[in-house]
Amino acid sequence: QITLKESGPTLVKPTQTLTLTCTFSGFSLSTSEVGVGWIRQPPGKALEWLALIYWNNDQRYSPSLRSRLAITKDTSKNQVVLTMTNMDPEDTATYFCAHRGPWGIVPPFFDYWGHGILVAVSS
Amino acid sequence: YELTQPPSVSVSPGQTARITCSGDALADHYTYWYQQKPGQAPVLMIFKDTERPSGIPERFSGSSSGTTVTLTISAVQAEDEADYYCQSADSIGSVVFGGGTKVTVL
Repeated sequence: QITLKESGPTLVKPTQTLTLTCTFSGFSLSTSEVGVGWIRQPPGKALEWLALIYWNNDQRYSPSLRSRLAITKDTSKNQVVLTMTNMDPEDTATYFCAHRGPWGIVPPFFDYWGHGILVAVSS
Repeated sequence: YELTQPPSVSVSPGQTARITCSGDALADHYTYWYQQKPGQAPVLMIFKDTERPSGIPERFSGSSSGTTVTLTISAVQAEDEADYYCQSADSIGSVVFGGGTKVTVL
């Protein structure tokens, strides 16, 4: 059974760096063809893909946010970490992590999602 | 790059709801559909344009024609009221979501 859970601060100040952790079970990022992604959703708005990391440490980013994002993995802890720099009130959103669907099907999609964590950016 | 969905669709119980998603790159990429109910995470409903994951009711189906894909919900039930998002990729392979469609069951 695949599960994912997001954790991190629920309030950050403008210009600060956000660090979110996705802790998962039911799969391993040391296994070939596995990936984990981050997606966010501002209140009342649409989903927005942020980043994706694969078992081989291949990292993919949203072109519009690439300069502010970093995604890393800790295989021993079954965790994926997303950092986003220079946070702004417009970054207020629910942040989801999700398991990438089966390898070989492109483009990537997400078949298991965490519940999400609401992060507010305010001074 | 954008995937265009109608903001809302209204349907009576037992009728058919159709949600479209349009984008230039859809002719070259698979599309996926997610259902999201208030306060919940999205749930994958359709992958590879037309396939249903296990556990998804048969009344949900997908189709594709050129640069437009369609999610069809047959014999709509009250529990199908939710937001629906299409997802694919742009020309360089970056994941892209549509703007979402709110389905209201009258």
